[in-house]
Parts: sequence; C-alpha cells; structure tokens
Amino acid sequence: DAGVTQSPTHLIKTRGQQVTLRCSPISGHKSVSWYQQVLGQGPQFIFQYYEKEERGRGNFPDRFSARQFPNYSSELNVNALLLGDSALYLCASSWDRGLDGYTFGSGTRLTVV
Amino acid sequence: AQKVTQAQTEISVVEKEDVTLDCVYETRDTTYYLFWYKQPPSGELVFLIRRNSFDEQNEISGRYSWNFQKSTSSFNFTITASQVVDSAVYFCALLGGSASKIIFGSGTRLSIRP
Repeated sequence: DAGVTQSPTHLIKTRGQQVTLRCSPISGHKSVSWYQQVLGQGPQFIFQYYEKEERGRGNFPDRFSARQFPNYSSELNVNALLLGDSALYLCASSWDRGLDGYTFGSGTRLTVV
Repeated sequence: AQKVTQAQTEISVVEKEDVTLDCVYETRDTTYYLFWYKQPPSGELVFLIRRNSFDEQNEISGRYSWNFQKSTSSFNFTITASQVVDSAVYFCALLGGSASKIIFGSGTRLSIRP
C-alpha cells in the first residue's frame, strides 16, 4: 500500500505569491493533519481535518487555509507568502485523531524568495 | 499548557556505544499519549513508538528501549549498540486526550561515528 503522498516535493515561490500543497492519505485513513517544520525546529501543528471537517487549528494566521475532499485527500493553501513561510510542510494521516500514531509523508520543501 | 522538552540538542557517539535521548513533558490531561519519531535526512517522520498515560510498562524492540516514568514526566529513549544508520533527528511528542494536535519537542540530532 502507498504511504502518505505529498506534492510537489520542492517549491520555490516569491514573496506575496500564493501556494497550494497537496496530500493523499493512506487508503482508509479519514484524518489528515498539516504541520510546518522550520529548519532546526520540531514540527508545528497547522490544521487537522477529519471526515472533511476542521477539527483543530494551530496558531497560524488566516493566510493559511486548508480543506479535505470527499476522497480524504487534502490541500493546504498559503496566501501572501512571507520569507518566514519557508519550511518543510508535512502532512500526516491517521484512522481517527491519531491515537494509534500518525503516518507522515516526506513533506513539501517550500522556499520563499 | 502542553509542552515537550528535549534538552539535548545534539549527541555524537562512536558506533556500538549505547545512547539515551531524554524527553520531559508537561500536560494537565490525565489521559495522553507519548510518541517518538525518527527523522532521517530525507525528511519523512518515521513513527517509532506510542505510549498512553496508563501504561507505564517499559518497552524493548530490538536495540531500542523506552522508559516511561509518570512520576518525573519523562519518556526516555535508549539505543543499545548504536549503528551509523541510527543517525537522524529524533523527536519526542505529546498528544493530549482531548486534543487534535501533536506537540513536538525541538528534537535531538544524533550522530553515530564509525
């Protein structure tokens, strides 16, 4: 079975632009979470979606938004990019709230110049 | 507030040495879950173990072992007879019983020298 897949793997954007990151969870997993990992730090929670509804939101500005589709895949959108948005964006899927452990994708490396 | 502290930023040992990675957590939840993840240079977070707050039994899996002590709010990870392939960043993480997000520590970069 395929693991959590994220696309694209790398991305370079200019300040002020908008970006969309995509995630496909493991087959059967209904929950998708997004994390931002700045270089040298641990991942920080952005969003969790379960059964297409937002179940949690981290301390991120409204420039960050996400959604989950009927097939449980998800998109993370970031508007008006700032240099500080440069990071590894990780998607994780789980059966429910992740009590059995999340499975993470390899991430999308976003560089804002 | 929930918090995970990994005081060791970097550890470097020679292959075959034993090494312990420390993790201290804070939470007011009575039900919570603790995790360890490994992050190799490829970037993917690899799940190693999950422990719930009601299970203080230590666990051993091959060369890996985990020591969970509620009295000291610690969940330490020991690698016995370390190998070069163990080189990675290791994260300790906490999930509150009613929360939807995992709180990660800042990570410990482990380097195993041949």
